[in-house]
Amino acid sequence: EVQLVESGGGLVKPGGSLRLSCAASGFTFSSYSMNWVRQAPGKGLEWVSSISSSSSYIYYADSVKGRFTISRDNAKNSLYLQMNSLRAEDTAVYYCAREELQIAAAGTGVFYYYYYMDVWGKGTTVTVSS
Amino acid sequence: EIVLTQSPGTLSLSPGERATLSCRASQSVSSSYLAWYQQKPGQAPRLLIYGASSRATGIPDRFSGSGSGTDFTLTISRLEPEDFAVYYCQQYGSSRRTFGQGTKVEIK
Repeated sequence: EVQLVESGGGLVKPGGSLRLSCAASGFTFSSYSMNWVRQAPGKGLEWVSSISSSSSYIYYADSVKGRFTISRDNAKNSLYLQMNSLRAEDTAVYYCAREELQIAAAGTGVFYYYYYMDVWGKGTTVTVSS
Repeated sequence: EIVLTQSPGTLSLSPGERATLSCRASQSVSSSYLAWYQQKPGQAPRLLIYGASSRATGIPDRFSGSGSGTDFTLTISRLEPEDFAVYYCQQYGSSRRTFGQGTKVEIK
């Protein structure tokens, strides 16, 4: 069964640090880009960070750039999010999500590239409060 | 940065009715980069539609997606009780991903 399981959430004081983990199983983890997406209480989804399959490409939302670091260990089938200088507004459920890339041939050498997040974990809750 | 604006914020409908949800992008988005997700309370999001119009595995055919450029639509042809949820559109960008703010479909 394809599965993502997040862990590492908890209560932390403002300015503190936390490291989230996401354990992948049931698929070839090293072949996929991965994302962290968060959801503040009562709010919508917010993309946080992405990392390519070989860690060559890493991107962050402006709201976390310079404070959060995404990484992965393909040998351990694991994704991580190191969160430093935490703020109250970082309080959220954090989801890891697999990013699928589907390539479709349209004929005459034309290809379409489809990107979407097709597998999600159940999330881990981070609360930043004094 | 591409901003996705979903409307309406809330849609109040009865089971069996048709739901039409809109997602408008601040600049043109490739259709192959546009996806829709469903989220129920206390659950993770679930992929419904990718490539603007392709249903994900196991998604009933009452869900359909359409659109191109800056205007995209998710249609639920006949609402079932389990369809009352929040729906998000999302676009893939080379250096970031973006979600719309969501549309809640509630029972009237």
